[in-house]
Amino acid sequence: DTGVSQDPRHKITKRGQNVTFRCDPISEHNRLYWYRQTLGQGPEFLTYFQNEAQLEKSRLLSDRFSAERPKGSFSTLEIQRTEQGDSAMYLCASSLDYDTVDTEAFFGQGTRLTVV
Amino acid sequence: AQTVTQSQPEMSVQEAETVTLSCTYDTSESDYYLFWYKQPPSRQMILVIRQEAYKQQNATENRFSVNFQKAAKSFSLKISDSQLGDAAMYFCALGGYNKLIFGAGTRLAVHP
Repeated sequence: DTGVSQDPRHKITKRGQNVTFRCDPISEHNRLYWYRQTLGQGPEFLTYFQNEAQLEKSRLLSDRFSAERPKGSFSTLEIQRTEQGDSAMYLCASSLDYDTVDTEAFFGQGTRLTVV
Repeated sequence: AQTVTQSQPEMSVQEAETVTLSCTYDTSESDYYLFWYKQPPSRQMILVIRQEAYKQQNATENRFSVNFQKAAKSFSLKISDSQLGDAAMYFCALGGYNKLIFGAGTRLAVHP
């Protein structure tokens, strides 16, 4: 296992189009997170899954955003009717489900979205 | 609300010298971790060092160490014997059970 992988690495889309990103976590990790990072800022939490259950969503995740993790393995993040403000790096991370706060998150390289 | 503040957008250091990156945070939780992550250009974020809030002893990982001042809610990162490969964005993060809260980051330049 080579770590968290994300596809595609780069996506350019026209405003109003729908886009979907995929994240494959480290195989034994049952927690999966999505973050958004805009230029010059730190990552902002969007949502996380424990296995296939989506347990928390940020207020940043508008109704145009939807995330799934149907079999508790890979996850997809879809953005409908993209807007220029959606341009950002979308980061996926995974971790083991320890019952402590010390769950090291391993990050993928991200998908850079540009909406034109 | 939980917040993390990094007040130094950019820092620079000469190779082999020491540099300290600052971070302050706010949380009402009693159980939490603090992290420093490194994000090299066009590469994924990797964990540099972590600190358990209930431990008073400062964490150390090789050339990286932290100064954790719980009462002041301060968590600085010291890099000793800086190397060219240390050049990156460094993010301070506050960890709870469900997510990480990141600061805006500090861009570190290392000059030969």
